[in-house]
Amino acid sequence: GAGVSQSPSNKVTEKGKDVELRCDPISGHTALYWYRQSLGQGLEFLIYFQGNSAPDKSGLPSDRFSAERTGGSVSTLTIQRTQQEDSAVYLCASSPALASSYNEQFFGPGTRLTVL
Amino acid sequence: DQQVKQNSPSLSVQEGRISILNCDYTNSMFDYFLWYKKYPAEGPTFLISISSIKDKNEDGRFTVFLNKSAKHLSLHIVPSQPGDSAVYFCAASGDSGGSNYKLTFGKGTLLTVNP
Repeated sequence: GAGVSQSPSNKVTEKGKDVELRCDPISGHTALYWYRQSLGQGLEFLIYFQGNSAPDKSGLPSDRFSAERTGGSVSTLTIQRTQQEDSAVYLCASSPALASSYNEQFFGPGTRLTVL
Repeated sequence: DQQVKQNSPSLSVQEGRISILNCDYTNSMFDYFLWYKKYPAEGPTFLISISSIKDKNEDGRFTVFLNKSAKHLSLHIVPSQPGDSAVYFCAASGDSGGSNYKLTFGKGTLLTVNP
């Protein structure tokens, strides 16, 4: 498909385990974003990748969270030693090169993470 | 503190009538505003946007109004259709020292359009 894809769609894990969430952005999009949506909340910015620039990690809630983007395409969000408060829908988005000040971001369907 | 607020968690309207979704913001540095629509089990999809230099932007049945002095924007859908039933998120950008990629989202409003 031509859209942003994410896997898995659902993930149930036990507290203390590590999880990896994957995002495949739209082909040709150089900017990639991770957000999470906790129950009853809006989307919360986590991290931003743009080309080969250093990522903006300012939204990561703790050092248990990390993300990487290999080859300027696929991204993986890793949560170590998961806690129950990590339960949320994790959304990935991509956009074309930030040629102007403004951009519309294209979202994937999300990964619903449940930490028991 | 929530910088983008959607104070109505839900809204119900009759098919054919106007839907008005409201959004307030507190950060005067925001200079671009977007509305996203989200169906269950899908990611948000971009609907319409407006720059702070404008007060209105129209796209078909969707119009966004911006009142900068009141730090308020609204999305009008007319006529409303049952397929418009979804969660609508208001988002803003432009507050990060010139980095406009961060979107700050409201909590969303669930719109139900009844046939």
